[in-house]
Amino acid sequence: ETGVTQTPRHLVMGMTNKKSLKCEQHLGHNAMYWYKQSAKKPLELMFVYSLEERVENNSVPSRFSPECPNSSHLFLHLHTLQPEDSALYLCASSHATGGQGAKNIQYFGAGTRLSVL
Amino acid sequence: DAKTTQPPSMDCAEGRAANLPCNHSTISGNEYVYWYRQIHSQGPQYIIHGLKNNETNEMASLIITEDRKSSTLILPHATLRDTAVYYCIVRVRVSGGSYIPTFGRGTSLIVHP
Repeated sequence: ETGVTQTPRHLVMGMTNKKSLKCEQHLGHNAMYWYKQSAKKPLELMFVYSLEERVENNSVPSRFSPECPNSSHLFLHLHTLQPEDSALYLCASSHATGGQGAKNIQYFGAGTRLSVL
Repeated sequence: DAKTTQPPSMDCAEGRAANLPCNHSTISGNEYVYWYRQIHSQGPQYIIHGLKNNETNEMASLIITEDRKSSTLILPHATLRDTAVYYCIVRVRVSGGSYIPTFGRGTSLIVHP
């Protein structure tokens, strides 16, 4: 138990569906992250919310839409996904990213295994 | 782009020390080095971090070279449960000025009986 909970753990969806992934942290952190991990590839950072700033990877398609209503909750809204979006989606939290030299230990959830048919 | 270089794979006999190297020659002067591991299909787990001095905790030891361009994670008595992918992480400055942890491909460590 890392203090970061992701739901659902597994999700199968069709290309026309709309679904959302949820992440919740109970660690008092104020930064949250979404990562995508495809088979045999490194973790790819998708989005970061730190305090009220959002950082995003410009290569992430618009069919992925993040939402961070407060510092404890993070969502990833999915619509019209493609089969190549099938992957493990990981959420993490940490204290705020801070400037150079700040300590930034991340705690990860167990992930959502997404299959797009 | 990841700013660290690690061997893609290593193996180690159970009970022996596992020494996992990492090159981070472009690390900024006061940025930390972090190590995580990921057991198959689980989320990465934090192990240890360091700045300049060597560090030790209940999981591992971290040796950082004096010039800070490389480090070595040491698992002193590896067990079969230490089989995992080990990531050496430094933060990278992105547009907007934020510093973001960046994962590379890591080292796949296999501990054998």
